[in-house]
Amino acid sequence: DAKTTQPPSMDCAEGRAANLPCNHSTISGNEYVYWYRQIHSQGPQYIIHGLKNNETNEMASLIITEDRKSSTLILPHATLRDTAVYYCIVRVDGGGGADGLTFGKGTHLIIQP
Amino acid sequence: NAGVTQTPKFQVLKTGQSMTLQCAQDMNHNSMYWYRQDPGMGLRLIYYSASEGTTDKGEVPNGYNVSRLNKREFSLRLESAAPSQTSVYFCASSEHVATNEKLFFGSGTQLSVL
Repeated sequence: DAKTTQPPSMDCAEGRAANLPCNHSTISGNEYVYWYRQIHSQGPQYIIHGLKNNETNEMASLIITEDRKSSTLILPHATLRDTAVYYCIVRVDGGGGADGLTFGKGTHLIIQP
Repeated sequence: NAGVTQTPKFQVLKTGQSMTLQCAQDMNHNSMYWYRQDPGMGLRLIYYSASEGTTDKGEVPNGYNVSRLNKREFSLRLESAAPSQTSVYFCASSEHVATNEKLFFGSGTQLSVL
């Protein structure tokens, strides 16, 4: 699986859009981009994933660049409850076994009141 | 619908003691996983079970054993606990279909080995 690079921490004002970047310059054509978050002392929570098209669900939007070497997770109206560590993961879907996901250190997003 | 349930939530062991962490899921998922998380670190995969009756090593399997008791349950055993195994342990499950690897996590077990 391709390696990802994320900033260690970011701040965002409550009510504003939080934009979390992720670089995955070695991504392969069949690798998906996944985003999870981990609120303090809880297990990680799935947010969204995508291959090359932009994706949106009730939690967030995922914007993947045309060359797929980077992506941005957007929380449109951040609240204090969105303070968490956000993990960007690249993974081949269905590719060779259910051996889970590789979590790096992620980005600690702090929403400021 | 409880999702993924882990027990216990907290445990303190002395070096050399043994214990088993229990995990059960009620989503009829095929695959289950055990991760550990150390302070300031991401999660590291210990063992996984792609389907009932199979188990495989992850990134950090040394010092651990697992049992996929049935489709619902996946336990993690520490035979002789060491201080280096002090960590938070998370169990997860996934349906494992070709279209996504969406993992569902339990709330974790905080283990201290003295």
